[in-house]
Amino acid sequence: KAGVTQTPRYLIKTRGQQVTLSCSPISGHRSVSWYQQTPGQGLQFLFEYFSETQRNKGNFPGRFSGRQFSNSRSEMNVSTLELGDSALYLCASSSLAGFGNTIYFGEGSWLTVV
Amino acid sequence: EDKVVQSPLSLVVHEGDTVTLNCSYEVTNFRSLLWYKQEKKAPTFLFMLTSSGIEKKSGRLSSILDKKELFSILNITATQTGDSAIYLCAVEGDDYKLSFGAGTTVTVRA
Repeated sequence: KAGVTQTPRYLIKTRGQQVTLSCSPISGHRSVSWYQQTPGQGLQFLFEYFSETQRNKGNFPGRFSGRQFSNSRSEMNVSTLELGDSALYLCASSSLAGFGNTIYFGEGSWLTVV
Repeated sequence: EDKVVQSPLSLVVHEGDTVTLNCSYEVTNFRSLLWYKQEKKAPTFLFMLTSSGIEKKSGRLSSILDKKELFSILNITATQTGDSAIYLCAVEGDDYKLSFGAGTTVTVRA
């Protein structure tokens, strides 16, 4: 069974550009969430989707957005990139709508903003 | 605001030692506590705990949750150099997100 797949794995962008990251959850998983990991802030929650609906959003500016498609694949977009957006962006999936389900992470997308 | 505090922040041990990592939390409507291992890549799932006092074991690793005192511990016995990693504790409330601690960096020396 394939794990959570994220693309691209590594990318370099310039300040002011925008970026789109993609996540394919484990087959059968319908919940997808996104996290930003930086050395200073650790892992911080961005947003969570279930059946194409955003159920929660973290404390990030409106430049950070996401969506989920009918096949459960998800994308996140960051517009007007800033140097501080350089981070590892992790996608996670779980199987059910409820709580207490094991949450599995993808390998992440390393974003560097120069 | 949910809060997860891990201690110690880092430690260095020698192969064969036993390690105990701590995680205390404050979360609205606790649902579960999860432990992950991270080695320069994505966090790898170790345990999910939902009930107090029930120890979960996987090889040399074990973990237990105390919902009354709001903490969990992760034990690693007979440590090996491959156990060197950052160990992350996360709690899930009723808001579909995980709140993570800062992590404990474990270094196992041969």
